[in-house]
Amino acid sequence: NAGVTQTPKFQVLKTGQSMTLQCAQDMNHNSMYWYRQDPGMGLRLIYYSASEGTTDKGEVPNGYNVSRLNKREFSLRLESAAPPQTSVYFCASSENDAPIEQYFGPGTRLTVT
Amino acid sequence: DQQVKQNSPSLSVQEGRISILNCDYTNSMFDYFLWYKKYPAEGPTFLISISSIKDKNEDGRFTVFLNKSAKHLSLHIVPSQPGDSAVYFCAASTSGGGADGLTFGKGTHLIIQP
Repeated sequence: NAGVTQTPKFQVLKTGQSMTLQCAQDMNHNSMYWYRQDPGMGLRLIYYSASEGTTDKGEVPNGYNVSRLNKREFSLRLESAAPPQTSVYFCASSENDAPIEQYFGPGTRLTVT
Repeated sequence: DQQVKQNSPSLSVQEGRISILNCDYTNSMFDYFLWYKKYPAEGPTFLISISSIKDKNEDGRFTVFLNKSAKHLSLHIVPSQPGDSAVYFCAASTSGGGADGLTFGKGTHLIIQP
């Protein structure tokens, strides 16, 4: 039981390049989330998916797209990376039913130059 | 406009003593609160939570207190141990603990001194 896994762990992109961050969970959770954490900041919600086939914007969705491929997988895509998107990205999952407890992956450290 | 505030970026406590981490919130729609612990280069891990219908929840060495009138919660760790050294995030939900995502504070770096 691996919990929440994320790939890659590290990535360096040039401005304008695109990439997809992958996330998978093996806990049969309905809900999945993408957060970003910047230095000295808390985690901020980018997008979330309450169930397979649905996605919703969070606090900071601009510049990102997501795909809930199936119940296990939730990917985050940067179509044209920019330096302000340099951050650590965390994927999380949870059950839908209250009380909520989100389980986080180890994070992807992305640098955009 | 930060809805969840942790005003102490860092806190140093001697091993064996009590650690008290504080969190304030501004959104009166928050109805569920959580504390997460984060080590460097790892994802946050859930520590303890409390519903707005309670004022205290205890789990071993960890107790969370909620004062709704003051919009304030605190995490008490007794006794503090070296492994407690980490960044602690306060988080809140408006969906009864449902699936809409969490709002996090900036975190407090707790350092346990031997």
